[in-house]
Amino acid sequence: NAGVTQTPKFQVLKTGQSMTLQCAQDMNHEYMSWYRQDPGMGLRLIHYSVGAGITDQGEVPNGYNVSRSTTEDFPLRLLSAAPSQTSVYFCASSPTGGGIQPQHFGDGTRLSIL
Amino acid sequence: GENVEQHPSTLSVQEGDSAVIKCTYSDSASNYFPWYKQELGKRPQLIIDIRSNVGEKKDQRIAVTLNKTAKHFSLHITETQPEDSAVYFCAATFGFKTIFGAGTRLFVKA
Repeated sequence: NAGVTQTPKFQVLKTGQSMTLQCAQDMNHEYMSWYRQDPGMGLRLIHYSVGAGITDQGEVPNGYNVSRSTTEDFPLRLLSAAPSQTSVYFCASSPTGGGIQPQHFGDGTRLSIL
Repeated sequence: GENVEQHPSTLSVQEGDSAVIKCTYSDSASNYFPWYKQELGKRPQLIIDIRSNVGEKKDQRIAVTLNKTAKHFSLHITETQPEDSAVYFCAATFGFKTIFGAGTRLFVKA
């Protein structure tokens, strides 16, 4: 049981490039989410999904797309990378949505945009 | 809007002393309040949580209190140890969203 797996762990992009951050969980969790973490600003919710085929926006969704075709996978796409998207990205999951269960986090992806 | 405020941003205590971190939230409908600990370069990990039908919860040296009327909740760490040094995040749920505070960096001096 690997939990929540994020790939890659590190990535450097040039402004304007596109990229997909991968997130997979093997716990059969219905709820998955993406956060970005910047110094002094905590974890900010980008997008979340309450189940396969259902996604919704969080606090800071602009510049990011998501899809949820399977229960296991929840990729995050940067369509045209900007330096402001330099951050550490965390994916998380919990058994169900409704916000009454703790989330399990992956190890994060450290992304730098030049 | 949905908001969680956390204070202080930095906290320094002597080993053995207690540490208290306070959070307030904006939506009275919030019903779940987890606390996460994050060590340098690591993932956030749940240390304790509390639901809105409970006023206090304790797990060994850590405890959380919730005041629904005032919309604030607090983390208490007693008998602090150097390994408690980390960043601590409070969070509150707003429907399907979990919103985090900005974090408290705790230093425990030996």
